[in-house]
Amino acid sequence: KAGVTQTPRYLIKTRGQQVTLSCSPISGHRSVSWYQQTPGQGLQFLFEYFSETQRNKGNFPGRFSGRQFSNSRSEMNVSTLELGDSALYLCASSLGTGGGAFFGQGTRLTVV
Amino acid sequence: TQLLEQSPQFLSIQEGENLTVYCNSSSVFSSLQWYRQEPGEGPVLLVTVVTGGEVKKLKRLTFQFGDARKDSSLHITAAQPGDTGLYLCAVYNYGQNFVFGPGTRLSVLP
Repeated sequence: KAGVTQTPRYLIKTRGQQVTLSCSPISGHRSVSWYQQTPGQGLQFLFEYFSETQRNKGNFPGRFSGRQFSNSRSEMNVSTLELGDSALYLCASSLGTGGGAFFGQGTRLTVV
Repeated sequence: TQLLEQSPQFLSIQEGENLTVYCNSSSVFSSLQWYRQEPGEGPVLLVTVVTGGEVKKLKRLTFQFGDARKDSSLHITAAQPGDTGLYLCAVYNYGQNFVFGPGTRLSVLP
């Protein structure tokens, strides 16, 4: 069974630009969650999509948005990038019932 | 206030030593997971514990869920350099999805 695939692995963007990250979950998993990880804040929950609908949302500004397609693939978009958005962005795939999450390798975003 | 607290925050030991790390909360959970994360990679699910008092073993790793389902421990026997990483505990909190503790950063020196 293929794991969770995130693309791209690394990204360098300029302040003010926007970025789109992609996540392909494990086949059969309908829940995709996104997390931001920084050294100071740890793993922070961004949002969860389940069957193309946003089911949960963390405490992040509206610049962070996402969507999920009918094949469960998900994208996350960050607009008007700020230096503080530099982080490892992780996507997690699960059945959506709490049994455990399976993470991709992450996208390392650097904003300069 | 964090939902989950982990201790110690950092741990550096020699190869062959034993260690225990802890995950604590004042809340009761239906299940709890442990993950290990290596630098630059995503966390990898190690185990899910669901029953109070449950003990699960994964090779040299022993996981225990507290009787009251508020805390958990991870014990590593004869640690090896390959055990180095960030150990995270997490719970599934409806409305917040998976909530992670701050982690214990373990370094095993050869």
